[in-house]
Amino acid sequence: DAGITQSPRYKITETGRQVTLMCHQTWSHSYMFWYRQDLGHGLRLIYYSAAADITDKGEVPDGYVVSRSKTENFPLTLESATRSQTSVYFCASGKTGRGGELFFGEGSRLTVL
Amino acid sequence: GNSVTQMEGPVTLSEEAFLTINCTYTATGYPSLFWYVQYPGEGLQLLLKATKADDKGSNKGFEATYRKETTSFHLEKGSVQVSDSAVYFCALLRDTNAGKSTFGDGTTLTVKP
Repeated sequence: DAGITQSPRYKITETGRQVTLMCHQTWSHSYMFWYRQDLGHGLRLIYYSAAADITDKGEVPDGYVVSRSKTENFPLTLESATRSQTSVYFCASGKTGRGGELFFGEGSRLTVL
Repeated sequence: GNSVTQMEGPVTLSEEAFLTINCTYTATGYPSLFWYVQYPGEGLQLLLKATKADDKGSNKGFEATYRKETTSFHLEKGSVQVSDSAVYFCALLRDTNAGKSTFGDGTTLTVKP
């Protein structure tokens, strides 16, 4: 089915471990984004990508790595997880141009112990 | 830079009450404006949008009018239902901002029967 899917939906890990959150979209949207959502902070942009092989930092990039070798995939890696990275992570995709709305995945809830 | 300020929540209403959630923005030029809704346990989804001044976006009984003179995009609904309980996010998108949307902090709405 067309859409944007994230995996895993829930993940528990320990401090210092590497974690990768996957994001896949079937619309061939050029833009893809990773946000984290924390109580009291709303949505904060971690990284974004305008096209395959083009990525850039958002508001809170420290401790995260992204790649985009294919248009449809945009994985987010926490190289050495910390407790402060406990959050709900949302991937989104969108088209360019005026009125370009975002399409969000269902979120990945990450707990770092 | 761009910014969005939303009315602070939480907002609690009785069923069939009138809803207003205020949203004002700061941006140069002519951004597109959006309202997204997030139901419990889900990702955000577009509720409505407006791409130019005086446009009215509407969907599911919700409306918002793009007011450039007051830099506002207030969300309204004449008669809320329990099923409208959710978090509502106001957002803007500038064409020249590499596809990055700017979000407000979200307003939690609870509708009681």
